[in-house]
Amino acid sequence: KAGVTQTPRYLIKTRGQQVTLSCSPISGHRSVSWYQQTPGQGLQFLFEYFSETQRNKGNFPGRFSGRQFSNSRSEMNVSTLELGDSALYLCASSQASGNEKLFFGSGTQLSVL
Amino acid sequence: AQTVTQSQPEMSVQEAETVTLSCTYDTSESDYYLFWYKQPPSRQMILVIRQEAYKQQNATENRFSVNFQKAAKSFSLKISDSQLGDAAMYFCAYRRNRLRLGSGNTGKLIFGQGTTLQVKP
Repeated sequence: KAGVTQTPRYLIKTRGQQVTLSCSPISGHRSVSWYQQTPGQGLQFLFEYFSETQRNKGNFPGRFSGRQFSNSRSEMNVSTLELGDSALYLCASSQASGNEKLFFGSGTQLSVL
Repeated sequence: AQTVTQSQPEMSVQEAETVTLSCTYDTSESDYYLFWYKQPPSRQMILVIRQEAYKQQNATENRFSVNFQKAAKSFSLKISDSQLGDAAMYFCAYRRNRLRLGSGNTGKLIFGQGTTLQVKP
């Protein structure tokens, strides 16, 4: 069974641009969550989706948004990029939205210049 | 709000020796999960071990075991017979028990700052 797939692996953008990151969960998994990892702030929760509905949202500005499709694939979008958005963005999937184990992808490294 | 603290930014261990990574947390809740994740240079977060707060018995997974002290809010990870492949950053994490406490804003993992483990040959 394939693991969680995140694309692209690396991305370079300039300030003011927008970016879309993609996450394909493990087959059969219906819950997808996103985390931002930076050296200064560590790992922070962005949002969680289950069956195309956003269940939880972290403390991030409205420039950060996401969605989930009927096949459970998820995308997150960041508009009007700022230098501080440079980070590793990790996606995790689980079978449902309870206490199941989370399986993480290898992340997308976003650099904002 | 829940917090997780890892006070050791870096640790090193000799191959085949034992090392213990520390983690403390703060919560007013009684039902939750605690985790140790490993992040190697590939950047993928890999679950090492999971402990349910309701279970008094410490979890073990092969060479990995935890010392869970609920009253002290302490959750340390012991790695026995350390191997070169154990070198990575290790994160302690907290998550509410969603099923017991109901749905809502409970699914997120709260991570500590991480401990970089170096294994010397």
